[in-house]
Amino acid sequence: ETGVTQSPTHLIKTRGQQVTLRCSSQSGHNTVSWYQQALGQGPQFIFQYYREEENGRGNFPPRFSGLQFPNYSSELNVNALELDDSALYLCASSLGGDRSPYGYTFGSGTRLTVV
Amino acid sequence: GDSVTQMEGPVTLSEEAFLTINCTYTATGYPSLFWYVQYPGEGLQLLLKATKADDKGSNKGFEATYRKETTSFHLEKGSVQVSDSAVYFCAPRGGATNKLIFGTGTLLAVQP
Repeated sequence: ETGVTQSPTHLIKTRGQQVTLRCSSQSGHNTVSWYQQALGQGPQFIFQYYREEENGRGNFPPRFSGLQFPNYSSELNVNALELDDSALYLCASSLGGDRSPYGYTFGSGTRLTVV
Repeated sequence: GDSVTQMEGPVTLSEEAFLTINCTYTATGYPSLFWYVQYPGEGLQLLLKATKADDKGSNKGFEATYRKETTSFHLEKGSVQVSDSAVYFCAPRGGATNKLIFGTGTLLAVQP
């Protein structure tokens, strides 16, 4: 089975620009979450999608938005980039929505640098 | 709110030493518990999990037991190898959004 793939692997953007990060879920997984991991920190939950609907959101401003498509792939969009948005962005997929006991399968991440 | 506390790193051990990384958590409801490992420059890999009290998760010589009474999920390995050097994250999954909750992780450095 294929794992979770993210693209691009690295990205450099200028402050104020917009960025779209992409994620292909593991085959058969219908839930996807996005996390932001700053250098030396643990991942912070951004939001989660289950069957194309957002069903959870962390403490991130509205300029962080997302989509999940019918094939369960996903996008993370960030508008008006700030320097503090520089981080590793991790996508993770899982089977089941709320109350699922399953762990997530993580991608290798997209390293975003805002200059 | 939900949170997880891990022992501060870095933890530096010699090869074949015994490893314990402590983890305690606070979470609403009855969370599932996970340990993830992150090698340099990579994403997170699921190491092991436990979904109910007294369950023991194990993988690659690592073990952790779900202790509901002490809200702990300590990671242990009897004999570490240099290749185990990585950052380890304890992560309960639960709460209102059933999301994974991460702490800052524990860096393990194993010396030959």
